[in-house]
Amino acid sequence: EAGVTQFPSHSVIEKGQTVTLRCDPISGHDNLYWYRRVMGKEIKFLLHFVKESKQDESGMPNNRFLAERTGGTYSTLKVQPAELEDSGVYFCASSQVLGPGTEAFFGQGTRLTVV
Amino acid sequence: DQQVKQNSPSLSVQEGRISILNCDYTNSMFDYFLWYKKYPAEGPTFLISISSIKDKNEDGRFTVFLNKSAKHLSLHIVPSQPGDSAVYFCAAISNTGNQFYFGTGTSLTVIP
Repeated sequence: EAGVTQFPSHSVIEKGQTVTLRCDPISGHDNLYWYRRVMGKEIKFLLHFVKESKQDESGMPNNRFLAERTGGTYSTLKVQPAELEDSGVYFCASSQVLGPGTEAFFGQGTRLTVV
Repeated sequence: DQQVKQNSPSLSVQEGRISILNCDYTNSMFDYFLWYKKYPAEGPTFLISISSIKDKNEDGRFTVFLNKSAKHLSLHIVPSQPGDSAVYFCAAISNTGNQFYFGTGTSLTVIP
């Protein structure tokens, strides 16, 4: 069974440019999460999809970030325009069910560097 | 406002000895806790979990202890092996929640 896959693994862009990150969750997992880890800090929640619907986007830093999940399958996270403080590792995770007793499976992450 | 805290950024242990990684949380609504292990350039992988109705869960060399009154949990690795060298993240979720709250991670180095 394929795990959570993320693309690209690395991205270096200039401030003001646009970047789109992609996540393919484990097949059959309705729950998809985006997390971010900045400069050795905690892995911080960005948002949660249940199928194609945004269940909780309280962690999204600002309106420069836009996440979509077309047809409840893969998800994209677009940053436009990118700022220096957006640099970090963006993780996607998926889970079959929600709540306690659940483990989330993580992708390898996309390391974003904004210069 | 960090709800899950790992106050030790790093830990070094001799091979064969016990590794103890600690985690504290502030939200009393958390009732399920997980430990994830992360190697460089990889995503976190699930290691072990514990429900708040238990105070101990064991899986091979890994044991997680939960002290609800102290809002503290710990991960014990016995015996530690060089392959255990990684960053360990503590995570928590509440029974009404939809997101995992993570700590900042503890980098464990097991010295051969």
